[in-house]
Amino acid sequence: GIQVEQSPPDLILQEGANSTLRCNFSDSVNNLQWFHQNPWGQLINLFYIPSGTKQNGRLSATTVATERYSLLYISSSQTTDSGVYFCAVGYNNNDMRFGAGTRLTVKP
Amino acid sequence: DADVTQTPRNRITKTGKRIMLECSQTKGHDRMYWYRQDPGLGLRLIYYSFDVKDINKGEISDGYSVSRQAQAKFSLSLESAIPNQTALYFCATSDGPQGSYEQYFGPGTRLTVT
Repeated sequence: GIQVEQSPPDLILQEGANSTLRCNFSDSVNNLQWFHQNPWGQLINLFYIPSGTKQNGRLSATTVATERYSLLYISSSQTTDSGVYFCAVGYNNNDMRFGAGTRLTVKP
Repeated sequence: DADVTQTPRNRITKTGKRIMLECSQTKGHDRMYWYRQDPGLGLRLIYYSFDVKDINKGEISDGYSVSRQAQAKFSLSLESAIPNQTALYFCATSDGPQGSYEQYFGPGTRLTVT
């Protein structure tokens, strides 16, 4: 199956700082999603982005499918951004694979 | 109302007991999935179904079974629960090739096997 690696595993920021999270994957995909898991365990869809660039407020994401990576940018971070960010990839949804996540802590 | 619901939200059971987790969706999606999440790890796929007559094993299906009772309902069973099945379980849905592959997740069921 597809291998997914996320980096960094942990990230600590001061409120207001910017950050970039990376997701590398080992094979061709036509589904790539970024999620935020909040402290209560809920998974929140951030982006569905198998290719290209999208922006939603302070968050944006870019996927370069030919080079097999995706980046999630968080600007002007807030304490409510804390949690774990997951990248998940798949092909035709036959076997979606999640990375191990990046744990983000934003300090006030 | 939530588009993807799971019941129960929390469950504590004993080793050897049979337990069923249920998932319902109102999104009208054909595809449904069951995942488990262990502490500090990402989600792993247990089973998935592309329509009512289609069931497929995922990465970690041993010890689990599923039933797709209707387009909107997909249940996961643990025939004889064991402690290492203690985890957070998520149901998800998606459209298919005619729409988007984007997956939408339920709130999760926290299962503890003692």
